[in-house]
Order: sequence, then C-alpha cells, then structure tokens
Amino acid sequence: DGGITQSPKYLFRKEGQNVTLSCEQNLNHDAMYWYRQDPGQGLRLIYYSQIVNDFQKGDIAEGYSVSREKKESFPLTVTSAQKNPTAFYLCASSMVWTGYEQFFGPGTRLTVL
Amino acid sequence: KNQVEQSPQSLIILEGKNCTLQCNYTVSPFSNLRWYKQDTGRGPVSLTIMTFSENTKSNGRYTATLDADTKQSSLHITASQLSDSASYICVVTYMDSSYKLIFGSGTRLLVRP
Repeated sequence: DGGITQSPKYLFRKEGQNVTLSCEQNLNHDAMYWYRQDPGQGLRLIYYSQIVNDFQKGDIAEGYSVSREKKESFPLTVTSAQKNPTAFYLCASSMVWTGYEQFFGPGTRLTVL
Repeated sequence: KNQVEQSPQSLIILEGKNCTLQCNYTVSPFSNLRWYKQDTGRGPVSLTIMTFSENTKSNGRYTATLDADTKQSSLHITASQLSDSASYICVVTYMDSSYKLIFGSGTRLLVRP
C-alpha cells in the first residue's frame, strides 16, 4: 500500500449522518485523489488535489466534500446529501499532477445501514 | 466518448497455466496505459506502465503489450500461481490539461489448484 494509509477499514453509517474518511501519505507527493469503486464498474474520481490548499471536483463530487490543509492529508467527508454512499473508497497519491503513477491506499468500505 | 473496455469479465484457470487479459480503449489523445492488480478488499497495485511508443513491458511473470494503432493492450500471465487470483484493471491516461485516468471495470481472475 506504499506509504498511504486509510482509516477506518470498515465504516458503518446511519442514513442522514455525515462521515469522514481519513487518508494520509508519507511519500511527499503533491497530488492526492479520492475514488469510489462499485461492483462491476471502473473507479470513478470524486475529488482531486494538485497541491496543498487546492482541490477540484472530479466526475462524481455531489454529496462529498474534501479539504487539503496539509500536504500529507486529504480527508473525504461523505455527507447526507450523497444518495447512495455504500461503496469502497480509495485514496491515491502521485508525485505531481501530470499523469504520474498513482499509488493507492488500502481502501475504506462504507456501508449505510 | 473516452472508454476502456476489458475482457473477459472473469476468468478461471488452473494453477501453472498461462492466460491473457484484453483491454481496448477509445481514449484520445492518450499519454500512457497502466495495468493494476487489485486483491479483494485492497487497493490496486501497479504492475506495468507503458507510453504510446512502447510495445511491451514485463514485470516478472506479467507481460503487457500495447498496440497504439489499434488501441489494444493485453496482459499475459505466465505460469499462474494461486496468488495471482485478483482483479486486473487497465487504466488509460487521457492527455488533456486534466491528465484524467480512465479506468476499465477489470477482469476478475481466479486461479484454482
């Protein structure tokens, strides 16, 4: 998992609650990403950050929010506005934002009860 | 539309046998193509990365090929092992200002003893 940690590994949420997924990297990478993975589908980009204090929406940002206050941290909040949040969430990082190889964390499986 | 399609969706082989996984893409312009291995419940791990000028790249028992003219790639696994059981994901980098990654939905490989 190459220096990227995600916590928790499993997360259960009641409908209407916000939850925050943690992602930390010690690779000194500038760029970080959040993806969502659903069965039978390719990974979809939620948010990305090219550099600290900056982030951009990906393809499916609705119902999610992020912050990038530190280079090594990129937490993702799944809000109650996300209608179908049950999924496997993957955080990744890359040296810079120009198509460099992305290294993935171990993932967090979120289940809404 | 930029897409990455993988086949087969799933594959079962006996330990020690070889297999080939296919990836067709319509992404243009493209920067590079990567193959990732993803164990169940874990994050993807990079196997190979090829630019448009490379035809083949090996990583141990894994050999990836790329035909940029026909927009096809394959991943060949030699002398399969039980530990090769995983999903294999083809990823193409779309070369615009976003350097967006386009993910295939993966091929799920099961190696049986």
